[in-house]
Amino acid sequence: DSGVTQTPKHLITATGQRVTLRCSPRSGDLSVYWYQQSLDQGLQFLIQYYNGEERAKGNILERFSAQQFPDLHSELNLSSLELGDSALYFCASSPSASEQYFGPGTRLTVT
Amino acid sequence: QQPVQSPQAVILREGEDAVINCSSSKALYSVHWYRQKHGEAPVFLMILLKGGEQKGHEKISASFNEKKQQSSLYLTASQLSYSGTYFCGTEDWDNYGQNFVFGPGTRLSVLP
Repeated sequence: DSGVTQTPKHLITATGQRVTLRCSPRSGDLSVYWYQQSLDQGLQFLIQYYNGEERAKGNILERFSAQQFPDLHSELNLSSLELGDSALYFCASSPSASEQYFGPGTRLTVT
Repeated sequence: QQPVQSPQAVILREGEDAVINCSSSKALYSVHWYRQKHGEAPVFLMILLKGGEQKGHEKISASFNEKKQQSSLYLTASQLSYSGTYFCGTEDWDNYGQNFVFGPGTRLSVLP
């Protein structure tokens, strides 16, 4: 158990809908990263937050947005969902640049 | 641009050594290594910053040659628990900011 929690574990929704994925980092970790893993595209970095501020951005679509709240939990919002958005979404938290701890992931299925 | 990993897959017997390579066409700031077992989340192994450092943890070590824009992961005296898919992630900076991209992965199978 990495200490990072993600909810929900599974999510099934229809095209065009909007969902929110939640991540609670390990106690004391200020950085949160979001990743997408699909069979087609492999593992992709989406975005990083550090203490509430956006730190780095990867291949995150405009339909996706994220934020980190004062209590350091983070949410990833996915809107106007398409079939291709079906994937595993991981978050990871980090106390520093030297290590990252991954949560168990949220499996999103868009039908 | 996605880094290239080689080999795509490797099968070992317990106790054998393996090397996984990761190369990029870009000037890199850092390289990260992860291992992911089937059905599980990736596990962060190590990060190497530019400067040509080498890091190690027990029998897994890595090197980063920034001139050649490549990193290698060394698995020594492999154990059954080393089986999984290994990903490298490369970090570079350009006029638009930071880029972080994962390689396609190398599937490692360690047999008894």
